[in-house]
Amino acid sequence: NAGVTQTPKFRVLKTGQSMTLLCAQDMNHEYMYWYRQDPGMGLRLIHYSVGEGTTAKGEVPDGYNVSRLKKQNFLLGLESAAPSQTSVYFCASSKMGRRPNYGYTFGSGTRLTVV
Amino acid sequence: DQQVKQNSPSLSVQEGRISILNCDYTNSMFDYFLWYKKYPAEGPTFLISISSIKDKNEDGRFTVFLNKSAKHLSLHIVPSQPGDSAVYFCAASVKYSGAGSYQLTFGKGTKLSVIP
Repeated sequence: NAGVTQTPKFRVLKTGQSMTLLCAQDMNHEYMYWYRQDPGMGLRLIHYSVGEGTTAKGEVPDGYNVSRLKKQNFLLGLESAAPSQTSVYFCASSKMGRRPNYGYTFGSGTRLTVV
Repeated sequence: DQQVKQNSPSLSVQEGRISILNCDYTNSMFDYFLWYKKYPAEGPTFLISISSIKDKNEDGRFTVFLNKSAKHLSLHIVPSQPGDSAVYFCAASVKYSGAGSYQLTFGKGTKLSVIP
């Protein structure tokens, strides 16, 4: 039971380059989320999805795009990377219509450095 | 405007003693609260939660207390063990109408060190 899998685990980008982070979950969860964690800032929501084909903005969406073409996958794209996007990115998933009494299931993170 | 605040960046406790981690919130619409534990190079993992209709929830060595009037919650770990050393995040949720998604707002975290 893999849970939530994020690829890649590490990546170094040059300013202006683009990349896509992949999140895959095998729990048949309807909801998926992308967070970023920065020192002293906790976890901040970038974008989320409540179902296949739907996405919505979170707290810090600028500079990112997302897509949810398949229920099990949630992609986070950086079209033109900036040093301010250096961070650890976490994907999470949860069931639909349930109180979060058991919380989200998180992936192990992608550490991205933009130079 | 930080809605979930963990004012102590770090806490050190002797093994066997009680660890108390605190969290304050400002949004009165929050109705569900959770604690997550995070080890280095791993994703956060769910630890314990509490609904706003309760003031206490217990799970083994972990107890969460909620004081709604003070908008304050705390996590007690008794007895503390070296394996409890991690970053602890407080999180809160309010149901968004329409989307039906229970989004979580996280605090900045408190790093707990349990000294053997």
